Amino acid sequence: QLVLTQSPSASASLGASVKLTCSLSSGHSSYAIAWHQQQPEKGPRYLMKLNSDGSHRKGDGIPDRFSGSSSGAERYLIISSLQSEDEADYYCQTWDTGILGVFGGGTKLTVL
Amino acid sequence: QITLKESGPTLVKPTQTLTLTCTFSGFSFSTSEVGVGWIRQPPGKALEWLALIYWDDDKRYSPSLKSRLTITKDTSKNQVVLTMTNMDPVDTATYYCARMVFGVGNDYWGQGTLVTVSS
Repeated sequence: QLVLTQSPSASASLGASVKLTCSLSSGHSSYAIAWHQQQPEKGPRYLMKLNSDGSHRKGDGIPDRFSGSSSGAERYLIISSLQSEDEADYYCQTWDTGILGVFGGGTKLTVL
Repeated sequence: QITLKESGPTLVKPTQTLTLTCTFSGFSFSTSEVGVGWIRQPPGKALEWLALIYWDDDKRYSPSLKSRLTITKDTSKNQVVLTMTNMDPVDTATYYCARMVFGVGNDYWGQGTLVTVSS
């Protein structure tokens, strides 16, 4: 079964960097994912598609501070030079033929 | 510019049927691999897929909600309609529509519409 696992929360200081993790279930380590950001009281916003080799393609207008990397079944979202507006929930998503698709449970990022 | 916007009732009574419409612009169903999906988010909770319809009319539904959901598209109007029967207070959520490109993900989202189920 295709499942994405995220830590419920993370925190980092203003101006620092943070690395959020999305783990693919066993047998799905080659899958690409997408990352989405949801700021408080707003709808989700597409950040990027992230491939298993770490290559990624960002959505429209996404700052250079956002990047992605991969290692095995782990997919990472890296945010550098953290700003207050980066405080948000971050969701990963994946897909497969014949199914609806999957979201992770989300990670709430607090900027200290 | 790609935009999507949800419309429908903000309040429904238990057991009623909810009908939501997603009206989009900036793309069309003539492009292969393109779909439009519905995702909901109960207050304070995570995103949950509901249904998805692709350019070729291939439809996908949440297994747990399949019996209650119907998704259709009107290509001429650039609209996708979701109906959910037998609404319950636990269905209170913000409902989003989003473009889905297979292999890319939900790359554009609507602003969402809050639907409250209450008598």
